[in-house]
Amino acid sequence: EAEVAQSPRYKITEKSQAVAFWCDPISGHATLYWYRQILGQGPELLVQFQDESVVDDSQLPKDRFSAERLKGVDSTLKIQPAELGDSAMYLCASSLEGHNYEQYFGPGTRLTVT
Amino acid sequence: DAKTTQPPSMDCAEGRAANLPCNHSTISGNEYVYWYRQIHSQGPQYIIHGLKNNETNEMASLIITEDRKSSTLILPHATLRDTAVYYCIGQGDMRFGAGTRLTVKP
Repeated sequence: EAEVAQSPRYKITEKSQAVAFWCDPISGHATLYWYRQILGQGPELLVQFQDESVVDDSQLPKDRFSAERLKGVDSTLKIQPAELGDSAMYLCASSLEGHNYEQYFGPGTRLTVT
Repeated sequence: DAKTTQPPSMDCAEGRAANLPCNHSTISGNEYVYWYRQIHSQGPQYIIHGLKNNETNEMASLIITEDRKSSTLILPHATLRDTAVYYCIGQGDMRFGAGTRLTVKP
């Protein structure tokens, strides 16, 4: 069964450093999502891509966060500089096309900022 | 876009049906309701979705009220492995709330 891949699974970084996460969606899925999940809360949408274009980044803190999906396949989420409050699980999900289809989530990247 | 409301936690005995409610009184007429669950330390997993009619798949059943203001996810024979946080979401914005933490007890 096809799965969404994410790496790394765990990342520890010091505040003010740069950090990047990678996601490879299920083949053929045009829509890709990045979520942030703080412990005890539900996932919060950061950015949504349709192919290589950003559809929704209204909740992305653009002063320090950036996301790209250059060829419309895999995607990278970057934080620079990292802050203590960025410690969370970062989840990637993909779906066939938009909100009309269910999302498939990857295992996530657990980020700890010290 | 629908805002959903769910109880923070529920318990269920193993082998019994688990009925998880969700209120989505602001859902629009063509907006699907989606259910996901998240087992500890894993990414959320899709369960089921519906619009007006009741739906059933191998994982669960979804009962949607006629006025579409609420729905109930039913796990017919809950097992210990069904212990998880369950999220009800409106299709329009796919924004997750805190969900319901279901604990299945032996």
